[in-house]
Amino acid sequence: NAGVTQTPKFRVLKTGQSMTLLCAQDMNHEYMYWYRQDPGMGLRLIHYSVGEGTTAKGEVPDGYNVSRLKKQNFLLGLESAAPSQTSVYFCASSFTTSGGENYGYTFGSGTRLTVV
Amino acid sequence: GENVEQHPSTLSVQEGDSAVIKCTYSDSASNYFPWYKQELGKRPQLIIDIRSNVGEKKDQRIAVTLNKTAKHFSLHITETQPEDSAVYFCGAGGTSYGKLTFGQGTILTVHP
Repeated sequence: NAGVTQTPKFRVLKTGQSMTLLCAQDMNHEYMYWYRQDPGMGLRLIHYSVGEGTTAKGEVPDGYNVSRLKKQNFLLGLESAAPSQTSVYFCASSFTTSGGENYGYTFGSGTRLTVV
Repeated sequence: GENVEQHPSTLSVQEGDSAVIKCTYSDSASNYFPWYKQELGKRPQLIIDIRSNVGEKKDQRIAVTLNKTAKHFSLHITETQPEDSAVYFCGAGGTSYGKLTFGQGTILTVHP
């Protein structure tokens, strides 16, 4: 039981290049999220998904796209990387019980992305 | 949407002292308030959480209190140890597909 796995762990991109970050969870969680973490700004939601085939925008979605073709995977894409996208990216998953109680996130180990 | 403010941004204490971190939230509909600990270079880990129908919850040296009327909640760590040194994040939300909004984080340093 690996929990939430993110790949890659580190990446350096040149401005204008594209890349995809992969998040995989083996807990059968319905909800998945992508956050970015910047110094002094905490964790900010980029996009999220409430189930297979669904995605929605979060607080800071510009410059990113996502897909959730399979329940266990949530992909974050950068089509044309910019230096402002230099950050640490965390994926998380969670679930809600049949009684409607939400349980806290399980986070992946993060991806440190530098755009030069 | 939800807005979460966290204070202080840095906190320095001596080993054995208590530490308190406070968060305020804006959306009265939020019903779930977790706290995460993040060590340097690691992922955030859930350490304690509280729901809106509870005023206080305790787990060994860690406790969380919630004041729904004032829309604020606090993390209390007693008998601090050097291994408590980390960044602590509060979160609020839970009503919309489990989405959480996080505070800006508090860097806690416990000096031996």
